[in-house]
Amino acid sequence: QVQLQESGPGRVKPSQTLSLTCTVSDDAIRIGSYYWNWLRQPAGKGLEWIGRIYTSGNTDYNSSLKSRVSISLDTSKSQLSLKLDSVTAADTAVYYCAREVFGVRTDFFDSWGQGALVTVSS
Amino acid sequence: DIQMTQSPSFLSASVGDKVTFTCQASHDIHKFLNWYQQKPGKAPKLLITEASNLQSGVPSRFSGSGSGTDFTFTITGLQPEDIATYFCQQYDRLLSFGGGTKVDLK
Repeated sequence: QVQLQESGPGRVKPSQTLSLTCTVSDDAIRIGSYYWNWLRQPAGKGLEWIGRIYTSGNTDYNSSLKSRVSISLDTSKSQLSLKLDSVTAADTAVYYCAREVFGVRTDFFDSWGQGALVTVSS
Repeated sequence: DIQMTQSPSFLSASVGDKVTFTCQASHDIHKFLNWYQQKPGKAPKLLITEASNLQSGVPSRFSGSGSGTDFTFTITGLQPEDIATYFCQQYDRLLSFGGGTKVDLK
């Protein structure tokens, strides 16, 4: 079972850039064909998909965040990264990384990190 | 973008009850819908894929149905360990989630 672990600052000041890293166990990021995703969840609210990166490096983003977000992959370090620019209090949330498995008719998240709380506050 | 709307957002039921809630998509998503269960402080757990396919190891009291824009999730015989928030998620065009249905004990 692949393990994912988010890391990064727990507090970011308004207007600055939120940066998180997700470390993936073993060689999971280099082996197989998966999407690697970032999602977030404000306290007491629903899940919001942020975006994903394929093993090849192709990316897709949520249109509501597309102008501010960047996801990258470093296979040598088994890590994926998230950068979110110009943050506001509305970006305060638990941020998750997750692996997405897909097939002809199926597509789902099978592995998640434990989540990292990021608070936007001065 | 495809918007997913779940209702109700909260429901209260007794142990043994049959519980049903819905998920509606803003566009036809065929059967490209998953259901997840999330307990406080935990990451979501996949229960159902392709609208009605129960994942291995998931109790048979959970079921899903629907296609197109209207989907239903049912728990037949609610158990205390089923207290959680349930999310639908479409994968027809990129990915998006419903707002969740929180299930609590009466």
